[in-house]
Amino acid sequence: DTEVTQTPKHLVMGMTNKKSLKCEQHMGHRAMYWYKQKAKKPPELMFVYSYEKLSINESVPSRFSPECPNSSLLNLHLHALQPEDSALYLCASSPPGLDGYTFGSGTRLTVV
Amino acid sequence: GENVEQHPSTLSVQEGDSAVIKCTYSDSASNYFPWYKQELGKGPQLIIDIRSNVGEKKDQRIAVTLNKTAKHFSLHITETQPEDSAVYFCAAQGFNDMRFGAGTRLTVKP
Repeated sequence: DTEVTQTPKHLVMGMTNKKSLKCEQHMGHRAMYWYKQKAKKPPELMFVYSYEKLSINESVPSRFSPECPNSSLLNLHLHALQPEDSALYLCASSPPGLDGYTFGSGTRLTVV
Repeated sequence: GENVEQHPSTLSVQEGDSAVIKCTYSDSASNYFPWYKQELGKGPQLIIDIRSNVGEKKDQRIAVTLNKTAKHFSLHITETQPEDSAVYFCAAQGFNDMRFGAGTRLTVKP
């Protein structure tokens, strides 16, 4: 298995809702990432997990809460989002050290 | 932190021509430079990478060059095909995370 699987592919949520994005990989990668991508922009790093521990939080608002239950799973819990949080949320994984990332296809999030 | 600049932002070529995309980086500690291709509705896909101890790397129609002294690296696509049309991102990685360039939208006209 050489893929990163993200669910759901599309999500529409209200500003008072609570939802979660899920990411799964079975490549044995011990680093996992959440990125946010707005239209016509590059991916922006949100969080990095290394060996299931949060190692980087790029000053992301607390309405985004990451979780890494085990080495294969990564979640992003969403609460009280704003319309400007609408974007493509990408999950990625990589082996330890300097190596390319494998990205999922993303969750297209719309906040109404 | 790392800052990666990428040019041009858009590039249109005729099928069969070559395409070149250039990037510069600021952090001399960066030593891994991947290139990603992103098609509509998909996540970025790694197409080629180069490490700081190598000056050039080639994979079929794609090649990447690195000038570590000048902090420049470039992607070269030869014999372009319509399926090469996509957004291409360069990136630079050092001790921590990876930073992306702004992207180049490549259009290959048949």
